[in-house]
Amino acid sequence: NAGVTQTPKFQVLKTGQSMTLQCAQDMNHEYMSWYRQDPGMGLRLIHYSVGAGITDQGEVPNGYNVSRSTTEDFPLRLLSAAPSQTSVYFCASSPGLADLTQETQYFGPGTRLLVL
Amino acid sequence: AQSVTQLDSHVSVSEGTPVLLRCNYSSSYSPSLFWYVQHPNKGLQLLLKYTSAATLVKGINGFEAEFKKSETSFHLTKPSAHMSDAAEYFCVVSDGSNYQLIWGAGTKLIIKP
Repeated sequence: NAGVTQTPKFQVLKTGQSMTLQCAQDMNHEYMSWYRQDPGMGLRLIHYSVGAGITDQGEVPNGYNVSRSTTEDFPLRLLSAAPSQTSVYFCASSPGLADLTQETQYFGPGTRLLVL
Repeated sequence: AQSVTQLDSHVSVSEGTPVLLRCNYSSSYSPSLFWYVQHPNKGLQLLLKYTSAATLVKGINGFEAEFKKSETSFHLTKPSAHMSDAAEYFCVVSDGSNYQLIWGAGTKLIIKP
């Protein structure tokens, strides 16, 4: 199993550009989520999904869109990038079998995004 | 509302000495608590978790944490630090009221030779 994969590893954008961060998992996990990590702030939840076709907002959803058309994929879209979105982005998944709040999260390697 | 506070942004210990990373939480419900570790330029990995079973939880690499409800704490300890323990450690809480985890700001553990 590859686990959770993310592409690209690093990206530079100009303000106003759009892009999609890709996330895929091959563990048949129902729950997937996107976090951003900023210095001194830990991880903050952007969006999450409890299954294909179901998404919801996290703590910091503004400026980001998601969709979940398959169990495996959970892309994160930045419609109009801003310098405040410069961050490291992590995708995570968990089985989603019972109590989601007790499950171990499996993380991808991260995408480092710089918005100029 | 749930929250988590990691009391130290940096902890520096000598190799072979005990490690203590402190975490306090606030939750309206019976929480689940986790410690995750992030080694430099790598992803995050679960170290251990408490989910209302035994209050003393053992994790990987010799780490353990004790859930103390009266003190609302979940401190991470290790009897003897190793150079490979140098990393950033995150305390995480989830109270079951939604599907969201709340992360602490992290504690960077520095190991001196």
